Amino acid sequence: DIQMTQSPSTLSASVGDRVTITCRASESISIYLAWYQQKPGKAPKLLINKASRLEGGVPSRFSGSGSGTQFTLTISGLQPDDFATYYCQQYNSYAITFGQGTRLEIK
Amino acid sequence: QIALKESGPTLVRPTQTLTLTCNFSGFSLNTEGAGVAWIRQPPGKALEWLALIYWDDDKRYSPSLKSRLTITKDTSKNQVVLTMTNMDPVDTATYYCAHDVRLVRYFHHWGQGTLVTVSS
Repeated sequence: DIQMTQSPSTLSASVGDRVTITCRASESISIYLAWYQQKPGKAPKLLINKASRLEGGVPSRFSGSGSGTQFTLTISGLQPDDFATYYCQQYNSYAITFGQGTRLEIK
Repeated sequence: QIALKESGPTLVRPTQTLTLTCNFSGFSLNTEGAGVAWIRQPPGKALEWLALIYWDDDKRYSPSLKSRLTITKDTSKNQVVLTMTNMDPVDTATYYCAHDVRLVRYFHHWGQGTLVTVSS
């Protein structure tokens, strides 16, 4: 299986901050990476696919980049609604795997 | 409008078999490219993909759980069923079904999830 490692596990930030979450794959996955946002008690919400393609309706303050084994999710100008847990997911192979999650909390 | 909803037992005894049903609307598993996946999340932990079935009955399983899982579809009922054998307390989790729109292997639409507790 391809292992996905996110860092940091927890991130404290303030409204208006710019934050970056990193996701590293144990082998190359090209650009086959998605990002999800999950709030407590809710299902994940798809934010980005193919490493950098923003889903419809997702605010432009979210952006993704990377290829191969290193990827980032950046949120520019944090809003109160953005405090949640974020997961990366690789889909380069049918053995789909998720990262362990990054909890974004209010400082 | 696409919607998915999971149903099944909330409590399962160790060694029993879990059967979960995903009822969906707004799309058809007769449509080329369409798929439905099962994904679980133990309390306070990360997401784990379990299985995926496509319109052409192609089935894919998590390598680590493959021996315990079976995924099937009933196109006429708009249902996908997951069975997991030999349940253990570590299988306690919220189980989600999710929609793969067109063979992309990521998931635009998710059900609300159903919590399954494994305990004697």
